[in-house]
Amino acid sequence: QKEVEQNSGPLSVPEGAIASLNCTYSDRGSQSFFWYRQYSGKSPELIMFIYSNGDKEDGRFTAQLNKASQYVSLLIRDSQPSDSATYLCAVNFSGTYKYIFGTGTRLKVLA
Amino acid sequence: GAVVSQHPSRVICKSGTSVKIECRSLDFQATTMFWYRQFPKQSLMLMATSNEGSKATYEQGVEKDKFLINHASLTLSTLTVTSAHPEDSSFYICSARDPLAGGGDEQFFGPGTRLTVL
Repeated sequence: QKEVEQNSGPLSVPEGAIASLNCTYSDRGSQSFFWYRQYSGKSPELIMFIYSNGDKEDGRFTAQLNKASQYVSLLIRDSQPSDSATYLCAVNFSGTYKYIFGTGTRLKVLA
Repeated sequence: GAVVSQHPSRVICKSGTSVKIECRSLDFQATTMFWYRQFPKQSLMLMATSNEGSKATYEQGVEKDKFLINHASLTLSTLTVTSAHPEDSSFYICSARDPLAGGGDEQFFGPGTRLTVL
């Protein structure tokens, strides 16, 4: 059974702080990893994707991938109240174009 | 670029009726589209993978005779919920894969369709 796990939260951080969101996955052969943000009642919107081990930065967001530990994380710097949402980790398992989504972590940024 | 639309955005129907949801890729050709269902406070669950010109591949536990998927063109996939019942009430979201975007693995999501079955 291919699984993607996230802490459901809520994760509460003060405005301006760094929010750290974590995701683990079961299939060692997974090739690509995606972070989506979902506001209540809306569909997911892509934040960023990462394919290679290490860090990838895009504005206030940094994705970190460690394939040996089967772990991917998302850091949000200078968190804003508008970042309050559910963050979904999606993993594209080897040999398919399908995503398996984690359960999502609810982030609350306190003003 | 990479815009996906869904229609309708909301639908309310009576139990026993069928509902069709359309998913369109507006500015790219999507050889593969995906249909997800999301219940309140839960994550997205993949229902099926739709490939243009061929039969859809359904995930385990999804009834193919109840959720009919047609992918007749490179820009349109439809999901028909047949004989809908209240337990089918959910948020249905489609996504489309653009083989020319990034590494080709990226999916672009539609805005979703809220189905309520009375």
